[in-house]
Amino acid sequence: EVQLVESGGGLVKPGGSLRLSCAASGFTFSSYNMNWVRQAPGKGLEWVSSISSSSTYIYYADSVKGRFIISRDNAKNSLYLQMNSLRAEDTAVYYCVRAKISFGGIIVIRYFDYWGQGTLVPVSS
Amino acid sequence: QSALTQPASVSGSPGQSITISCTGTSSDVGGYNYVSWYQQYPGKVPKLMIYEVSNRPSGVSDRFSGSKSGNTASLTISGLQAEDEADYYCSSYTSSDTLVVFGGGTKLTVL
Repeated sequence: EVQLVESGGGLVKPGGSLRLSCAASGFTFSSYNMNWVRQAPGKGLEWVSSISSSSTYIYYADSVKGRFIISRDNAKNSLYLQMNSLRAEDTAVYYCVRAKISFGGIIVIRYFDYWGQGTLVPVSS
Repeated sequence: QSALTQPASVSGSPGQSITISCTGTSSDVGGYNYVSWYQQYPGKVPKLMIYEVSNRPSGVSDRFSGSKSGNTASLTISGLQAEDEADYYCSSYTSSDTLVVFGGGTKLTVL
């Protein structure tokens, strides 16, 4: 059974930093593109970042580019999101999400098939 | 403002059919067959309902179907049931740097 378990969320002050982790199990983690998708309270879904299976290809939403860093450790079956210079508008539940992709020189995300339970990150003074 | 446009709400009575639209551009919905739909109950995790425009994952009821015409994709739910009441989000691959875009979500109410 595929399982994605996020951790590391919690209250942080504006301008602060936080590192989210996602522990994966039940599938060959090193073969899959992984993503972070967030959802602000009462709002819709927003894709945040994507990393290819070998970390070769990394993408970010404009809203987090230059502040967030996605990474993975295939030996530990883990995905990470380092969040710096946090703002109130970054307040959200952050989901670790597996994606099915096509690759022809560029990553094409076909769909998201498994989602973690999410971890809440409130940014407030 | 979301990249893909969905109606904020739709409603229907049990047994009826409803359709939720998802409008994008030729850079996303219209240009690729990588539209997917997700169902989310309040406080719960999104669940994949339709992928690649019209495919259903194993275990998803055949009352759910998807289609696309031009820059607009649609999710149709037939034989509405009370358990279908949830939020529904569309998503598409995009050729822009964003990589993936979501719709703003549609709240389905079963009357």
